[in-house]
Amino acid sequence: QKEVEQDPGPLSVPEGAIVSLNCTYSNSAFQYFMWYRQYSRKGPELLMYTYSSGNKEDGRFTAQVDKSSKYISLFIRDSQPSDSATYLCAMSAGSGGSNYKLTFGKGTLLTVNP
Amino acid sequence: GAGVSQSPSNKVTEKGKDVELRCDPISGHTALYWYRQSLGQGLEFLIYFQGNSAPDKSGLPSDRFSAERTGGSVSTLTIQRTQQEDSAVYLCASSFSGLSNQPQHFGDGTRLSIL
Repeated sequence: QKEVEQDPGPLSVPEGAIVSLNCTYSNSAFQYFMWYRQYSRKGPELLMYTYSSGNKEDGRFTAQVDKSSKYISLFIRDSQPSDSATYLCAMSAGSGGSNYKLTFGKGTLLTVNP
Repeated sequence: GAGVSQSPSNKVTEKGKDVELRCDPISGHTALYWYRQSLGQGLEFLIYFQGNSAPDKSGLPSDRFSAERTGGSVSTLTIQRTQQEDSAVYLCASSFSGLSNQPQHFGDGTRLSIL
């Protein structure tokens, strides 16, 4: 079992839809959780950064972390064609050891159709 | 402000040649990371620098791979005697420090193709 599992999709939705992206993980040491957006032939761009369990909202984006279930989600409201990209979840341990090292999911390819 | 800058953006070379990839991190960031992104494998950690030191080289796939950082700034990743399986996008990231509460910011990568 890989440390981080993410459905690769592809996921195709109409403009204005609510998008739900998810990752599961197995390492209980993970404390920091991130979502990156990656456009074609570009580097990952940090979207959301959360610590431990709970919700964080930034504009149309909401990140949720449920550590008891080892499950994280990213919700995109009122999706736009410009949201079409690959979304990567990433995680790191809170302290000790190699806590600087990000472990990534393989990414979900999202297309928002006008 | 300026983000992480990587060069070249694309590199095509013949099998067996050496290649050198460059990363210029965000000014003031003491931590620098190299990752590799290949089809089907996702992003894989290669090496971590804190200042000019590399306390974690555990992700380097073979001894053909090496990296250095000078002046606490620019880093180069060198691949000797390239093989076709080295074809991938090599991404560099930097953060203010190596603590896990400091987010990592990525460059656009070098797309390496080995013929």
